[in-house]
Amino acid sequence: GENVEQHPSTLSVQEGDSAVIKCTYSDSASNYFPWYKQELGKGPQLIIDIRSNVGEKKDQRIAVTLNKTAKHFSLHITETQPEDSAVYFCAASKGHSNSGYALNFGKGTSLLVTP
Amino acid sequence: EADIYQTPRYLVIGTGKKITLECSQTMGHDKMYWYQQDPGMELHLIHYSYGVNSTEKGDLSSESTVSRIRTEHFPLTLESARPSHTSQYLCASTPPTGVYNEQFFGPGTRLTVL
Repeated sequence: GENVEQHPSTLSVQEGDSAVIKCTYSDSASNYFPWYKQELGKGPQLIIDIRSNVGEKKDQRIAVTLNKTAKHFSLHITETQPEDSAVYFCAASKGHSNSGYALNFGKGTSLLVTP
Repeated sequence: EADIYQTPRYLVIGTGKKITLECSQTMGHDKMYWYQQDPGMELHLIHYSYGVNSTEKGDLSSESTVSRIRTEHFPLTLESARPSHTSQYLCASTPPTGVYNEQFFGPGTRLTVL
């Protein structure tokens, strides 16, 4: 089955700096790559996703890049703020009924933004 | 904000008790999921459902059971709780339309078994 590796497991940056989280996946048939943010005491929330027909997507301070040849994708947060502190999960999916619509999650990255 | 609810939010219970964790969504989503989240943050899929009367086991073996009698409701039951069941349980759902399965998560239930 699909195996998603996520690095680093913890990341500490100063406010205003950029943060990058990287994920690799094993199944070349995967075509949907969402990123989730989980704040303390809450469930994960989708913050951005990318599909295999594009290489990059940006939404304000957040961007995701995808390299299908190398089977890796990354989350970039620029101008980090203390409220960006949370656990971030990447995931990969084939996104069709034969796969059971499963999202395969990475193990998470705990991001701390210090003022 | 997704309309997916979990109750209770926190539960402390003694060993051997039967418990049911509730999950409801009002979005008409057909697919629903239960994840167990360990203290190290990792999410483990324990059950999922494609729709009414459909239930499947996930990647992580679990002693819990689920049912899907109504589209909006996907309860998880532990017949006899044990300390090893102490964890955070997250419910999620996916809409029926589209090829990609964005999952909407509930706030979670934190279960402690003494």
